[in-house]
Amino acid sequence: EVQLVESGGGLVQPGGSLRLSCVVSGFNFTTSWMSWVRQAPGKGLEWVANIKQDGSERYYADSVKGRFTISRDNAKKSLYLQMNTLRGDDTAVYYCARVEGGFDPWGQGTLITVSS
Amino acid sequence: SYELTQPPSVSVSPGQTARITCSGDSLPKQYAYWYQQRPGQAPVLLIYKDSDRPSGIPERFSGSRSGTRVTLTISGVQAEDEADYYCQSTDSSGTYKIFGGGTKLTVL
Repeated sequence: EVQLVESGGGLVQPGGSLRLSCVVSGFNFTTSWMSWVRQAPGKGLEWVANIKQDGSERYYADSVKGRFTISRDNAKKSLYLQMNTLRGDDTAVYYCARVEGGFDPWGQGTLITVSS
Repeated sequence: SYELTQPPSVSVSPGQTARITCSGDSLPKQYAYWYQQRPGQAPVLLIYKDSDRPSGIPERFSGSRSGTRVTLTISGVQAEDEADYYCQSTDSSGTYKIFGGGTKLTVL
């Protein structure tokens, strides 16, 4: 069974940091581009970042560039998102997803709330 | 910046056909993908590479393209199809992923 399980969400103050994790099973993680996508409450989907199979290429949305870092550990079949200098507009559900042109499959998401 | 434009809402009666459009200047050069998101759930890929359907997706979902516009067609709409639908593509460089604003499908 294909599974992506995110963790690490929670409440953080503005300016704070948080690290999200996504553990995958049921498909070949090491041969897959991976991505983070977020969705603010009541809003649409927003792509956040992509990472190549070996981590040699990483791309970010302008809204998070310089503040967020995507990384992966192929031995642990895990994807990460280090989020620094968090702002209120970073409040969202964060999903990890495999990238094969489109995003498929998706995890269930983890909620980040940035508030004082 | 590159944008994909969808209608905010579409309404249709059960058994009818729903069409949801998505427009963007880079669409002629890049594939489009469609996702369904039911309330409280993660998105699910419905259509990939403009018109292909992943296994397990009902045949009533189909995708097509014409120039700078792609269309998701849902034939014989059912109550369970009430959801938000998003198109997605890539900028002209093929690097940055973009989502449309989403369309809420209401089944009357």
